[in-house]
Amino acid sequence: DSGVTQTPKHLITATGQRVTLRCSPRSGDLSVYWYQQSLDQGLQFLIQYYNGEERAKGNILERFSAQQFPDLHSELNLSSLELGDSALYFCASSGGAAANSPLHFGNGTRLTVT
Amino acid sequence: AQSVTQLGSHVSVSEGALVLLRCNYSSSVPPYLFWYVQYPNQGLQLLLKYTTGATLVKGINGFEAEFKKSETSFHLTKPSAHMSDAAEYFCAQPHSGAGSYQLTFGKGTKLSVIP
Repeated sequence: DSGVTQTPKHLITATGQRVTLRCSPRSGDLSVYWYQQSLDQGLQFLIQYYNGEERAKGNILERFSAQQFPDLHSELNLSSLELGDSALYFCASSGGAAANSPLHFGNGTRLTVT
Repeated sequence: AQSVTQLGSHVSVSEGALVLLRCNYSSSVPPYLFWYVQYPNQGLQLLLKYTTGATLVKGINGFEAEFKKSETSFHLTKPSAHMSDAAEYFCAQPHSGAGSYQLTFGKGTKLSVIP
């Protein structure tokens, strides 16, 4: 058990809809990362937060947004969903933002857009 | 741009045989490197990491990896494969952005173990 909790585990929704994915990091971890995993693109970094502040953006679409709350949990919002957004979305946390800080991953949310 | 290359998207070995999963990284400072494993329907789990010091790094489940700067490689090995090793393995290195670091992952290598 990594200590990172993601909900829900599965999500099935229709095109054009909006969903929210939730992540609770390991106790004490200040950094939260969101990754998207798909068969064709592999693991893609989306966005990082550190202690409530956005730190870095990766390949995140404008239709996607995220935030980290004062209790350090994070939410990833996906809107105007398209079929191509179907993927596994992982949250990871780490104690810091240094280069040698390993990430601890949740079990992911599998999003299916129909 | 920094990238991590994993040679072979799928590797099959017999139970008890040597496991060798290849990873080449783009030269970077600092040369930190990670191997993660993903079992079906689970998240990624850290196998081992290289930060500084000894170039041969031991991880969990009997895996180890050797950092070779001259070859920009960080191959993962295990002397004797077990059925429970069947999973997907990812090599990763950090890249910097906005004063912070994020992990860039290779495409992954799916390991099958044949009884």
